[in-house]
Amino acid sequence: DGGITQSPKYLFRKEGQNVTLSCEQNLNHDAMYWYRQDPGQGLRLIYYSQIVNDFQKGDIAEGYSVSREKKESFPLTVTSAQKNPTAFYLCASSTFSGLALGYTFGSGTRLTVV
Amino acid sequence: SQQGEEDPQALSIQEGENATMNCSYKTSINNLQWYRQNSGRGLVHLILIRSNEREKHSGRLRVTLDTSKKSSSLLITASRAADTASYFCATYVQAAGNKLTFGGGTRVLVKP
Repeated sequence: DGGITQSPKYLFRKEGQNVTLSCEQNLNHDAMYWYRQDPGQGLRLIYYSQIVNDFQKGDIAEGYSVSREKKESFPLTVTSAQKNPTAFYLCASSTFSGLALGYTFGSGTRLTVV
Repeated sequence: SQQGEEDPQALSIQEGENATMNCSYKTSINNLQWYRQNSGRGLVHLILIRSNEREKHSGRLRVTLDTSKKSSSLLITASRAADTASYFCATYVQAAGNKLTFGGGTRVLVKP
């Protein structure tokens, strides 16, 4: 079955540590996205990528970094510069002209600072 | 920045009743989409309405769009306990890039 896989489901980060969240899709979608969701809140865009080796900052990119070396993969690194990283992180994908079709979402990664 | 703002923030109804939630947005859009999120899970796309459409139906879902008021509503008819979830609107503005902007969501509780 095609879909988006996020891993791990739960992640714990120590102060000052960088962590990387994985997002892989086998839908052959061109565009991929990372959103952050805080408890009881909506989604805020961190980064997005429309093609391999290219990505754009979203509304809250500070303290995060991404790469897009393969069409299928769009990992997100939460760096030590992100002062409040505890949140639920959602990855999504869409076809390049497919916002008429909407996003397909992964099941999310819950990151907690310990 | 949040393009869409949803109202109410939370809604509690009995099974069998209808649930209505609203989304207001600030700028002209190309389309508006509604998503459902069960607790602790990813979002699932429900329905999309284009800027030149006024109403769409999908099963027990009815979406309206009023571009003059910059608002949309989602109606769930004959609600079921399984409809308990958060519902989000998302707007697409082509000139702003190939991305969606989400509202804050409406939490719906359907009591059996």
